[in-house]
Amino acid sequence: DAKTTQPPSMDCAEGRAANLPCNHSTISGNEYVYWYRQIHSQGPQYIIHGLKNNETNEMASLIITEDRKSSTLILPHATLRDTAVYYCIVADSWGKLQFGAGTQVVVTP
Amino acid sequence: DTGVSQNPRHKITKRGQNVTFRCDPISEHNRLYWYRQTLGQGPEFLTYFQNEAQLEKSRLLSDRFSAERPKGSFSTLEIQRTEQGDSAMYLCASSQAFGLNTEAFFGQGTRLTVV
Repeated sequence: DAKTTQPPSMDCAEGRAANLPCNHSTISGNEYVYWYRQIHSQGPQYIIHGLKNNETNEMASLIITEDRKSSTLILPHATLRDTAVYYCIVADSWGKLQFGAGTQVVVTP
Repeated sequence: DTGVSQNPRHKITKRGQNVTFRCDPISEHNRLYWYRQTLGQGPEFLTYFQNEAQLEKSRLLSDRFSAERPKGSFSTLEIQRTEQGDSAMYLCASSQAFGLNTEAFFGQGTRLTVV
């Protein structure tokens, strides 16, 4: 079973920041938080991952709470091409990913 | 190198037939994963390899399923005596595991339809 809880869906206006929450209250000390997204009919795409520090790359920022029980993925300026299912995943260093149902994000003009 | 390659992209087969899918990972990636995804669900882990060694198999992988990765390069996933419930997208991913950098890159998948 997936170890994360995400809202099933959310809408975001184009050009605005999208903040995607994720709860992972049972995360253990050696597990990482990964975010992937999947655009319809394509394979999942890696976005970002982190252990306990906040992370930023060219796609997004990842904010992990100090107790590591939750995190937020931030897409700073959402575009229509960001419409996808976003998966928050907790995994150990072997990289085996256990996907949940994810959050369907719809970016509207 | 353009990423993880999966072949075929689509496969339609009759119930009871055997099918084999191929995955070519990103060069020098030593880990390779297989997942299955049905409509409306997230991908489900099936199995993974570290080089040529198969390290873990999900209980979803029944005796009709077998995966190999000879020489630690490409991998094949075979399904024997296919059933309608095997209809799904089969996804392959690879990663280069060193330090903290273990993000996996996925292929476009093979969509299997069993009729």
